[in-house]
Amino acid sequence: QLQLQESGPGLVKPSETLSLICTVSGGPISSSNWWSWVRQPPGKGLEWIGETYHSGDTNYNPSLKSRVTISVDKSNNQFSLKLNSVTAADTAFYYCVRDAFDGSGSLGFDSWGLGILVTVSS
Amino acid sequence: DIVMTQTPLSSPVTLGQPASISCRSSQTLVYNDGNTYLSWLHQRPGQPPRLLIYKISNRFSGVPDRFSGSGAGTDFTLKISRVEAEDVGVYYCMQTKQFPYTFGQGTKLEIK
Repeated sequence: QLQLQESGPGLVKPSETLSLICTVSGGPISSSNWWSWVRQPPGKGLEWIGETYHSGDTNYNPSLKSRVTISVDKSNNQFSLKLNSVTAADTAFYYCVRDAFDGSGSLGFDSWGLGILVTVSS
Repeated sequence: DIVMTQTPLSSPVTLGQPASISCRSSQTLVYNDGNTYLSWLHQRPGQPPRLLIYKISNRFSGVPDRFSGSGAGTDFTLKISRVEAEDVGVYYCMQTKQFPYTFGQGTKLEIK
């Protein structure tokens, strides 16, 4: 069964860079799926940050595009998120997610990590 | 961006009774491949969201058949035929037709 696990610092200072890694187990990241990051401020709704494919192709939310980099590391079956120049507004649970695809298109965000709370504070 | 609007935002229901949540998108969610990329997610307190329904009406693996999805174009509905205690939490609709992917505000289902 596919599992995703986020890792990284739970506390980041304002103006610094938030860096998270998602480790995928139970299946290859080099499959016909896209890999996304989604965030959720405590008590609030969901926001899609962006996605990557194993080729390195990416798509980003324009609202964050100037500050976000998502990359893939096939050798370690991981993908990562970097968000620079963070502020308190970036405090949220960050989830890594698989957007499953088959020959008929997207099957939805079918596998989620447990999430990691990242707090931006000095 | 495609705006996803859910109603109601809160839904108190009695155990064993049906529940219904509506989701409206600001643009059609029909993609040029003919598929409609509308999904429903459920999030229990303290847990990540989980996929319930994809492409309007397809139940994800392991989802009970009391959950059903319907709709077309810009108007969609999630129905629970008989609410059980484990169904509490927040339900989100989501579109993956175009970037950026967007979610509804969430509908909180609680037991009366």
